[in-house]
Amino acid sequence: GDKVKQSPSALSLQEGTNSALRCNFSIAATTVQWFLQNPRGSLINLFYLVPGTKENGRLKSAFDSKESYSTLHIRDAQLEDSGTYFCAAYNTNTGKLTFGDGTVLTVKP
Amino acid sequence: GPKVLQIPSHQIIDMGQMVTLNCDPVSNHLYFYWYKQILGQQMEFLVNFYNGKVMEKSKLFKDQFSVERPDGSYFTLKIQPTALEDSAVYFCASRQGGDTQYFGPGTRLLVL
Repeated sequence: GDKVKQSPSALSLQEGTNSALRCNFSIAATTVQWFLQNPRGSLINLFYLVPGTKENGRLKSAFDSKESYSTLHIRDAQLEDSGTYFCAAYNTNTGKLTFGDGTVLTVKP
Repeated sequence: GPKVLQIPSHQIIDMGQMVTLNCDPVSNHLYFYWYKQILGQQMEFLVNFYNGKVMEKSKLFKDQFSVERPDGSYFTLKIQPTALEDSAVYFCASRQGGDTQYFGPGTRLLVL
């Protein structure tokens, strides 16, 4: 939605390449979560972030609360990375997790 | 990591019938959520529930919707009566005191 805007909306990568996804917030976000929704529809927790950065294997994420954005970097993309990546902003005051529209990632051999 | 279970995985019902979606949240979690995702669209917040009460609900949480968690059993979402536009995947989530929400695999509801 407009409150959490993800870019790009779709992305095609060659296996082994790198890319970055972005999430811009027009709502107050105290923390951010990134998810991968796999082709079966299951949501996989990737990161939970307070302002700062985290790294897990080939994935790295950053959340800048002052500039109201978050990024997800994918290094050495693999075929199994394909799916829809969602970011979601959490506001402690409202208790709500607001999702973006998602980025559909396709990794090709 | 922590697992949230949802039962059933799929449900097909006729319009106007009642349906109950069941969620088995992570055992020590205190906050419970339902989200709705229409095919190919974003995840949308429906309701959050804490200490036996609805804390907040969205405009998608129609009067036909209700939630409860009797005696620490399943956290349920009941729709009565169902409408065609209720067809979607419904995700349950739970969290402890921190902010990380853990999601179940979803229940795919088809209203005919």
